[in-house]
Formats: sequence, C-alpha cells, structure tokens
Amino acid sequence: SAVISQKPSRDICQRGTSLTIQCQVDSQVTMMFWYRQQPGQSLTLIATANQGSEATYESGFVIDKFPISRPNLTFSTLTVSNMSPEDSSIYLCSAQPRDRGEFWYGYTFGSGTRLTVV
Amino acid sequence: AQTVTQSQPEMSVQEAETVTLSCTYDTSESDYYLFWYKQPPSRQMILVIRQEAYKQQNATENRFSVNFQKAAKSFSLKISDSQLGDAAMYFCAYRTTSGTYKYIFGTGTRLKVLA
Repeated sequence: SAVISQKPSRDICQRGTSLTIQCQVDSQVTMMFWYRQQPGQSLTLIATANQGSEATYESGFVIDKFPISRPNLTFSTLTVSNMSPEDSSIYLCSAQPRDRGEFWYGYTFGSGTRLTVV
Repeated sequence: AQTVTQSQPEMSVQEAETVTLSCTYDTSESDYYLFWYKQPPSRQMILVIRQEAYKQQNATENRFSVNFQKAAKSFSLKISDSQLGDAAMYFCAYRTTSGTYKYIFGTGTRLKVLA
C-alpha cells in the first residue's frame, strides 16, 4: 500500500501567520483528503483534492482559510492561513490509491501534523 | 447523508481477555464498505479490518473480527486475546460508493488494556 510522508510533524506558530503542510506519496494516487482532528476527537474532513482541479471543501471550511494545492498525482499541500489559537489541532492527509485492488482495500494516512497556535 | 455512531467513548479490557467495540451507521445505499481504524498515541491511522456490505460473511484478521449486521446497520469489532499494544483510539468508518469515495468517521472509542 502507498506510504505517505507528511511534514512537518509538529509546529508552533504565531497567530496571524500561515503554515503549509505537505504530503508526499510514494505512488500515484487519485484523491487526497485533508482532515482536522482535535485532541481526543474524531477526524473531520476539510476538503478533497483531485489533481488538475480545485479542491472540494466540506461545509464549514473555505478556500481562503485552507487553500489546497494538488500539482501532481503524488503530492498535495494544505495551508492554514491567518491562524488563531482555535486552529490548534492535528491535521492529517490521506490518499486514495489508483490501483483498484488497493482502492477497495482502504486508504493510507500520513502521520499527522500537530499545530499549536500561540 | 450517512452517519456513523460509536456509543462507547471509552472501554477497558484485561490483558488476554476479549472486548467488543460497537458501531452503528445510517445509510440509504445498498453497497458500501465499512472499516475499523486504530490510532495509537503516535497519531498514525492503522487499518485494522474492512467489510464489504455485499458479503454476508464476517471479516476476520487474526485476533480481530467483526459482527456485521446489515439489516440492523451494525458493525462491531471484537478483539480477542487483548494485548497491551491494542491500547489506542478505534474509529469506525463508512466509505461512500459514489462521488469522491470519502470516509465518514465515528467519534471513536478509546480502548485501555489493563495488565
């Protein structure tokens, strides 16, 4: 199955600044998904990124706050813009394999980015 | 819209004993996939087991098995011979069969394993 390298693993940022999180996959994938996870809680989908098109955002999330890039089939970035302490959370990416066998088996996840905004 | 419910925020099990984590879901689709993921403190999401809705046979993976009741929309996870390494958050997930094939996650169950 695909392996995802997610960077940074953690960061402490000043309010009002932006942070870009990167996910690099070791094989080509179709959709990439970005999640937010508050400590001890479930994963909330922010948006879905398909190569060559604009990301699709879930209710409550907007492109100005969470711009996403998907320049090719192995890479995506999520930017958390104009950060406030409420943005402190864990952010994870996930990838949907192109291989149909792997697709039906399940998706892999990055190891997450723990963001603290001060 | 589909929903996934995990009614047990926290469970405890004695080492070597068996524990069952509950999950119910709501959907109007007839074909879909269900998953259990484990998230240890490392934050890495690890696939534990999956079930295709069109298969009546319950999935098993070593010490992990599911009780899939399609009519009741229930998908529980049984962990046998619990080990200390099983301690983690467990998330039940539903995957849509249309659109982007995204996951819908339950709220999670924290499993503690007592030595």
